[in-house]
Amino acid sequence: AQTVTQSQPEMSVQEAETVTLSCTYDTSESDYYLFWYKQPPSRQMILVIRQEAYKQQNATENRFSVNFQKAAKSFSLKISDSQLGDAAMYFCAYRSAETSYDKVIFGPGTSLSVIP
Amino acid sequence: DTAVSQTPKYLVTQMGNDKSIKCEQNLGHDTMYWYKQDSKKFLKIMFSYNNKELIINETVPNRFSPKSPDKAHLNLHINSLELGDSAVYFCASSQDGGITNSPLHFGNGTRLTVT
Repeated sequence: AQTVTQSQPEMSVQEAETVTLSCTYDTSESDYYLFWYKQPPSRQMILVIRQEAYKQQNATENRFSVNFQKAAKSFSLKISDSQLGDAAMYFCAYRSAETSYDKVIFGPGTSLSVIP
Repeated sequence: DTAVSQTPKYLVTQMGNDKSIKCEQNLGHDTMYWYKQDSKKFLKIMFSYNNKELIINETVPNRFSPKSPDKAHLNLHINSLELGDSAVYFCASSQDGGITNSPLHFGNGTRLTVT
């Protein structure tokens, strides 16, 4: 069974600085998708960025980018020019592309604080 | 335009009661899910339906019964509520069963408190 690990329960970053959140996963599959979701205090779950395992190029979305290392099974999220609104729980998630109708598996989350 | 809406937003009830949470999506998605988020923020899937058919049923007490009258709706009924059922319950939908990179679209969650 696949698992997702986020080794940093809490992180903090100074406003306008850059922070990297770590995520590792365990799978025997070669085709899958990876996601980062953000959950602010409002508890809404918001998709931040997604990555297909077959793509070597790292995904980017404005100030958010990932470092996808398939061999190392690592999928870190970099937030550049951090803003107060980035303060939230961040969840790394895995979804199989080899099994139809498979579930999305979430990591335990990293709580990010942004210091003004 | 709400994409995935669930009601109620908050639910406070006593042990032993029966309650329901409703979920509707207007995205035209084929697959809907229920996730439970515990007090430590851990998200765990409970059920998944594809076109009204149960696809995933994790190890969930049979006091929890999902019902999907059509592919746009997935409701969750809970019988004989227990203290340990207190959590935030999220409904979500996705375009298909996972063949594409379709992400989950979440509702805003229902905070259930059992006293």
